[in-house]
Amino acid sequence: AQKVTQAQTEISVVEKEDVTLDCVYETRDTTYYLFWYKQPPSGELVFLIRRNSFDEQNEISGRYSWNFQKSTSSFNFTITASQVVDSAVYFCALSMNAGNNRKLIWGLGTSLAVNP
Amino acid sequence: NAGVTQTPKFRILKIGQSMTLQCAQDMNHNYMYWYRQDPGMGLKLIYYSVGAGITDKGEVPNGYNVSRSTTEDFPLRLELAAPSQTSVYFCASSQSGREVYYTFGSGTRLTVV
Repeated sequence: AQKVTQAQTEISVVEKEDVTLDCVYETRDTTYYLFWYKQPPSGELVFLIRRNSFDEQNEISGRYSWNFQKSTSSFNFTITASQVVDSAVYFCALSMNAGNNRKLIWGLGTSLAVNP
Repeated sequence: NAGVTQTPKFRILKIGQSMTLQCAQDMNHNYMYWYRQDPGMGLKLIYYSVGAGITDKGEVPNGYNVSRSTTEDFPLRLELAAPSQTSVYFCASSQSGREVYYTFGSGTRLTVV
């Protein structure tokens, strides 16, 4: 069975702090994709990153970075020097690439509050 | 603009009423999905479709129906609305092929009273 676990329900930080959001996944497939989405208070889903199972390189995009480790089935997300605008719910999701398994399986999300 | 279009954005239904949530995409994607998001929760899959004429149940299909007569459209039908169906509904699509990306609509906020 496939599953995504985001153990942190809520995180509160002060602006400029670094924060890491954890994501642990389960799948028996060898080919899969991992995603992070941001959901701001306005409610839309904002795509942040996609990573396939064959690419374990870490990625950095501005203040955002992602650490993908297949050995621990984790795909963690770090925000450096957090800002108030980063306040949102962040979702990690898993997808396979096979026919009727090609659907996103979501974690429950981590609500991040960045306080001034 | 290319993408996934959901209508309406907001709706209030009375218990027992019916309605259809519309979803259309203009990217020629084969895969389409309906998710619901309850307050403070992640998204759960209601139904999905791998192509025109083919639909299948997700995790929480009870109380809903779908059809996929064209590649572009994937409407979600609520026949007898219940308070438990109060939620935000997201439609999404994905292309076939090796690369896996998803495009989401902006959501429909439904309240059943």
